[in-house]
Amino acid sequence: GESVGLHLPTLSVQEGDNSIINCAYSNSASDYFIWYKQESGKGPQFIIDIRSNMDKRQGQRVTVLLNKTVKHLSLQIAATQPGDSAVYFCAENHTGGFKTIFGAGTRLFVKA
Amino acid sequence: EPEVTQTPSHQVTQMGQEVILRCVPISNHLYFYWYRQILGQKVEFLVSFYNNEISEKSEIFDDQFSVERPDGSNFTLKIRSTKLEDSAMYFCASRGGLGRGEKLFFGSGTQLSVL
Repeated sequence: GESVGLHLPTLSVQEGDNSIINCAYSNSASDYFIWYKQESGKGPQFIIDIRSNMDKRQGQRVTVLLNKTVKHLSLQIAATQPGDSAVYFCAENHTGGFKTIFGAGTRLFVKA
Repeated sequence: EPEVTQTPSHQVTQMGQEVILRCVPISNHLYFYWYRQILGQKVEFLVSFYNNEISEKSEIFDDQFSVERPDGSNFTLKIRSTKLEDSAMYFCASRGGLGRGEKLFFGSGTQLSVL
């Protein structure tokens, strides 16, 4: 969903469960997508990225899925831990473009 | 891991005053950015800077804003006459290139409060 002011979409999961955070992007010319994690009081931190010629990429406990047909991106976190609690942002860029554009964030709460 | 550093971490100013936010990007990076984030909202692009000039800017980055790389290490954002709505967290970022896979590294931000 869309975030307005303080009302970020929120996902609450139990520790140990898998989390799925979704994002819709807007620019058909974007060919590079990134997920960032932002902890309270800190700057965004790179988690994982994916190029448009791929539909899936795996990292350590994280997987990003890209569906270009519907311009949808998702971040899957396996075995979610309390330290995963943060706001997660998807971002898009295109090769040679100067700016990275952020989408609306999702706040992830992990219940112990 | 190398990091982007920003000073100060908090800045309080009166409306109408000038502020300068400072950043030291990662040393071998070539592309520099300012973003801002109003409390609880998404991270918004302000400006990108390359080869000593602005390469791209957003609608937010009006005539009240300017950026400068005064020496080989610092990158600054100046707001000439601050408004209440300028209150936000300002993030500096840098990257080594524009190719895919060139990560954007962010500093910890400067929280600007305009009273």
